[in-house]
Amino acid sequence: GAVVSQHPSWVICKSGTSVKIECRSLDFQATTMFWYRQFPKQSLMLMATSNEGSKATYEQGVEKDKFLINHASLTLSTLTVTSAHPEDSSFYICSANGQSNTEAFFGQGTRLTVV
Amino acid sequence: AQSVTQLGSHVSVSEGALVLLRCNYSSSVPPYLFWYVQYPNQGLQLLLKYTTGATLVKGINGFEAEFKKSETSFHLTKPSAHMSDAAEYFCAVTEGYNFNKFYFGSGTKLNVKP
Repeated sequence: GAVVSQHPSWVICKSGTSVKIECRSLDFQATTMFWYRQFPKQSLMLMATSNEGSKATYEQGVEKDKFLINHASLTLSTLTVTSAHPEDSSFYICSANGQSNTEAFFGQGTRLTVV
Repeated sequence: AQSVTQLGSHVSVSEGALVLLRCNYSSSVPPYLFWYVQYPNQGLQLLLKYTTGATLVKGINGFEAEFKKSETSFHLTKPSAHMSDAAEYFCAVTEGYNFNKFYFGSGTKLNVKP
């Protein structure tokens, strides 16, 4: 099956710094990718839809200036958490639909801890 | 609008016992339904999915689920639990043909006792 890879798997950063998370589709092109966030002991919630070559679409309540999404190529989307705070600590997962658009493939996730 | 309810945030079974994880959904259009498993500090792995056709769906690792439209349910079962099944399980729904947005349940953590 198709593979979606996220990097890094985990990251610790200081408050006020920015962190970039990469999501790559390894063996297929993805014009659309999706970013989810999972708070401790909670389910995954869609944050935004990343569109190749255009602006991302954010879900209600997600700050677009804080969570910058760039989808510059058909195989790479990045999520940058700007001026991170401890409350941004979470598990972030990306997904992309396969080329036949009949299945979604999820990355391994990135554990972000802001100290 | 779509939503998913998973009854029981924690389920504990003995090794060899039946596993039953409950999922009910709400959807304004014919749903596509999914079960994913998440091991600690890992991403999501697809167990099985229902799109159209046969309502009893078989997945990996001996799991299966049955789509019951009248009950708006998609419960996950496995006849005999293994220790390796201990993980968190998420039920999810999308809007029919639209794979663009998944609505996840709150998850059920399965514990398997020896």
